[in-house]
Amino acid sequence: GAVVSQHPSWVICKSGTSVKIECRSLDFQATTMFWYRQFPKQSLMLMATSNEGSKATYEQGVEKDKFLINHASLTLSTLTVTSAHPEDSSFYICSASGRAPYNEQFFGPGTRLTVL
Amino acid sequence: QKEVEQDPGPLSVPEGAIVSLNCTYSNSAFQYFMWYRQYSRKGPELLMYTYSSGNKEDGRFTAQVDKSSKYISLFIRDSQPSDSATYLCAMSANQAGTALIFGKGTTLSVSS
Repeated sequence: GAVVSQHPSWVICKSGTSVKIECRSLDFQATTMFWYRQFPKQSLMLMATSNEGSKATYEQGVEKDKFLINHASLTLSTLTVTSAHPEDSSFYICSASGRAPYNEQFFGPGTRLTVL
Repeated sequence: QKEVEQDPGPLSVPEGAIVSLNCTYSNSAFQYFMWYRQYSRKGPELLMYTYSSGNKEDGRFTAQVDKSSKYISLFIRDSQPSDSATYLCAMSANQAGTALIFGKGTTLSVSS
């Protein structure tokens, strides 16, 4: 159990376009979902935390108007990178946490975004 | 000083060696300590989870936490080529279901 999926796994887009990444908890209800960004050879940096039905809480330095997060249901959260630029190219990873026994963070496989 | 420090390596060992991976931290509020394994272009996979100080063993893996020194370790016995990956330490002041602070990760290569 405790499987988290992400879609797409890899996306290439042109500068100025928007990209939506989905994160799903497949076999448990995720009361909280987290979005991380990881640059090559760097650690995971938390971007935002979202609770189902509430607005996301963004970390300092993360533009909430650029990285739109929606957590509309207990199994789905989406991250939309608006007006993407090459510097947004990164590996985006979500994680999900629910109630016991799923009260750890279970990570998705990640989405690699390349902005040309 | 960063909240969590981890030597990025790379660390290369022969098959069968004992591997020691370490992290130090500065925030004394951290109580939950985790080790994740991440293969290239994949999401992190939870290996070990420890609350407060002490040791925890799971198969070939042993996690140690020394809160007095703000130092945590992961030992891998009888290392295998399949252990080759990046190992990330992560910590939280609250339970594991809350935001985690990650180390940079140590890249391990085990040669056969």
